Amino acid sequence: DAGVIQSPRHEVTEMGQEVTLRCKPISGHDYLFWYRQTMMRGLELLIYFNNNVPIDDSGMPEDRFSAKMPNASFSTLKIQPSEPRDSAVYFCASSISGVNTGELFFGEGSRLTVL
Amino acid sequence: AQRVTQPEKLLSVFKGAPVELKCNYSYSGSPELFWYVQYSRQRLQLLLRHISRESIKGFTADLNKGETSFHLKKPFAQEEDSAMYYCALRWASGTYKYIFGTGTRLKVLA
Repeated sequence: DAGVIQSPRHEVTEMGQEVTLRCKPISGHDYLFWYRQTMMRGLELLIYFNNNVPIDDSGMPEDRFSAKMPNASFSTLKIQPSEPRDSAVYFCASSISGVNTGELFFGEGSRLTVL
Repeated sequence: AQRVTQPEKLLSVFKGAPVELKCNYSYSGSPELFWYVQYSRQRLQLLLRHISRESIKGFTADLNKGETSFHLKKPFAQEEDSAMYYCALRWASGTYKYIFGTGTRLKVLA
């Protein structure tokens, strides 16, 4: 397995543009997480899904952010419109229930720069 | 509210010196705590979990419920230990929500 796959790896866009980040979790994993990493705030949980259903989106900063998981192998995080303060590294992670290890498997991240 | 605090953003030590990365948490129940590490150009990965009571790459971490701490320790730092370290807390037993601290960058100097 190639692990959690995220795209794009780097995105540079202008303020006001729509940004879509994509994630493919590890096959068989039923949990998917979106985290945002910044120097000031570290790793913040934005939203997580179980079996494609959003369970907790309390970390989504505002209505400009939305996330979907249309099927077990794909999720998107969308920012519309983007703002410079959204610049960060966005990580997707997946995990599997029923195995009490508590391990999250992370993707390589998508570095977003909003000018 | 559940919270994870890592007071140091940067910790620099010399090779061979002991290392202690601090992590404090606030949690009302029985916590489950983890340390994750991100080496340069690598993915964030699990280093160790408190329930396993294991030593990984010479690192250990003991849960101290009295002090609500889960500090990561290594007696002799190596240059390859230089990385970003995150302490993480499972939000509640039976859930799969994890919150992370702000991270500590460890630099091991030659």
